[in-house]
Amino acid sequence: DVKVTQSSRYLVKRTGEKVFLECVQDMDHENMFWYRQDPGLGLRLIYFSYDVKMKEKGDIPEGYSVSREKKERFSLILESASTNQTSMYLCASSSSGSGGANVLTFGAGSRLTVL
Amino acid sequence: EDQVTQSPEALRLQEGESSSLNCSYTVSGLRGLFWYRQDPGKGPEFLFTLYSAGEEKEKERLKATLTKKESFLHITAPKPEDSATYLCAVQSFGGSNYKLTFGKGTLLTVNP
Repeated sequence: DVKVTQSSRYLVKRTGEKVFLECVQDMDHENMFWYRQDPGLGLRLIYFSYDVKMKEKGDIPEGYSVSREKKERFSLILESASTNQTSMYLCASSSSGSGGANVLTFGAGSRLTVL
Repeated sequence: EDQVTQSPEALRLQEGESSSLNCSYTVSGLRGLFWYRQDPGKGPEFLFTLYSAGEEKEKERLKATLTKKESFLHITAPKPEDSATYLCAVQSFGGSNYKLTFGKGTLLTVNP
């Protein structure tokens, strides 16, 4: 069964800490994404990557950075966590395919609480 | 800018009571419209992709339809296990080829 695995399901961090969220996919997908999901706001795209070492900003990149050193792994980094970054973080991947629509496979999510 | 609006925000049904969820969208050119199901505390799970007006897809008790302005997710004779949040998303030909714009979802509760 194809999978996107997020290393941490629940994290509690303090304001100012550096936080790493890791995501691994086993489908050989070219594209990987980080979303955050908040009540009343839905899913919002933070960053995405369409190839190793390539990244593009999404709708809400401020306060975040990403790293993609290997095709299967995409990391989200909070350089200095703040309380407004308390959220559910969802990683997803997709194949570039032949130009068709971009079906995302999501991980189970990482719920981050910043105190 | 692509926009997706889902209605209603929440829907409560009795088991066996059929209904529909709505997804209205605005895009410069539709590459695809997606339906996902999300259970509490889990990531969204893909259900359907629709590409052009008039297209329909079915899976068990679910049927998705598409017009030029909206999509409907019809639920026939729902069961309690159909309770979940249903998300609609669009991908357009304009701008980034990878970006999906999501609606805020409809929370469906099916009572036994």
